[in-house]
Amino acid sequence: AQSVTQLDSQVPVFEEAPVELRCNYSSSVSVYLFWYVQYPNQGLQLLLKYLSGSTLVKGINGFEAEFNKSQTSFHLRKPSVHISDTAEYFCAVSEGGGFKTIFGAGTRLFVKA
Amino acid sequence: DAGVIQSPRHEVTEMGQEVTLRCKPISGHNSLFWYRQTMMRGLELLIYFNNNVPIDDSGMPEDRFSAKMPNASFSTLKIQPSEPRDSAVYFCASSPQGAGNTIYFGEGSWLTVV
Repeated sequence: AQSVTQLDSQVPVFEEAPVELRCNYSSSVSVYLFWYVQYPNQGLQLLLKYLSGSTLVKGINGFEAEFNKSQTSFHLRKPSVHISDTAEYFCAVSEGGGFKTIFGAGTRLFVKA
Repeated sequence: DAGVIQSPRHEVTEMGQEVTLRCKPISGHNSLFWYRQTMMRGLELLIYFNNNVPIDDSGMPEDRFSAKMPNASFSTLKIQPSEPRDSAVYFCASSPQGAGNTIYFGEGSWLTVV
């Protein structure tokens, strides 16, 4: 069965600093990987996704993630964060041919001035 | 195009009362999901439908919870009777059919059971 582990529940960082949010998954078959962002009092929205091809995926708001099959990871990065990036970030996985998408527990990114 | 529409946005109800949450998915989307979010348990998938048919309801916590999708443009999640531990944000989401497709979330229904 597929599962997702987000290794950090909270990540505080200063404005304009780089950030990496970590995500590991487990699955016995090929997977699709996603990062979603949830701003306060809103639903989740897609940041980026990996389906196939290049392992480096670029998303909205300057975020990118790298799929590493050998390490079963899909870490999210941004070289310089803004106050407006303060939100909760969810890693998610779905298996090829399946309907189900499983979300991680979320990482709360707090950007300080 | 309108996104996923949920109602009510906020509801406060007394323990024992019936609660009905409503959802209108994005037109043309074949899959519909109900999620529950709490501080303690994070984001949990309760049930999902494909082409109006429930595919997996293993996440529904107990018999007090039920969900229906009578047609492609409407779904309900009902809690009867409600309990204080049901207090949470309930999200409806929809997507085109297929595992690699983006899931589009509504803004959530904030339920408080007192």
